[in-house]
Amino acid sequence: DAGITQSPRHKVTETGTPVTLRCHQTENHRYMYWYRQDPGHGLRLIHYSYGVKDTDKGEVSDGYSVSRSKTEDFLLTLESATSSQTSVYFCAISDQGNTGELFFGEGSRLTVL
Amino acid sequence: RKEVEQDPGPFNVPEGATVAFNCTYSNSASQSFFWYRQDCRKEPKLLMSVYSSGNEDGRFTAQLNRASQYISLLIRDSKLSDSATYLCVVNIMGTGGGNKLTFGTGTQLKVEL
Repeated sequence: DAGITQSPRHKVTETGTPVTLRCHQTENHRYMYWYRQDPGHGLRLIHYSYGVKDTDKGEVSDGYSVSRSKTEDFLLTLESATSSQTSVYFCAISDQGNTGELFFGEGSRLTVL
Repeated sequence: RKEVEQDPGPFNVPEGATVAFNCTYSNSASQSFFWYRQDCRKEPKLLMSVYSSGNEDGRFTAQLNRASQYISLLIRDSKLSDSATYLCVVNIMGTGGGNKLTFGTGTQLKVEL
């Protein structure tokens, strides 16, 4: 299995609080992604990174920011969490951009009360 | 219309049965296609890529029909361990020229004794 770890794996927080999810990889892959998965929706891309300090928005980026200061770490921040951001968040990595296989982390389940 | 559409199921089949899933996509410029498997409360994992010529991996066969814009997955001799959600994934050309992977909502398969 690809070396991807997400933390925290579970978090309950209150509306209006900041939340940061961390994705750490040991594969030295160039591309990293944050997705959210909700019932009735496929996995939806929030943000992605194509290198250190190089990031771009996905289709559901509002309310989220990311940072990648090292190859191995990709942080997703909810500046002020809302109930609509209750979801399961998956980090993924790849070495071929969107033309290759994605390797996913185990997911982080976030509940915003 | 969703960019990638799948029948959510569930498909309940007896062990040993053959089952087929279809997936349709709306963007004719789509370039690459995949099936991912997701077990309950787990991360998605690549099952197989889908090629125009069709491809087979053991009991699994994937087909692509570009003219009709659909992808299929055939599972022969179903096992209990095949019970999972199968995600159709399409690499769709973005408006800015970049590619993005778009996930279907998944088709749930339950294999029963």
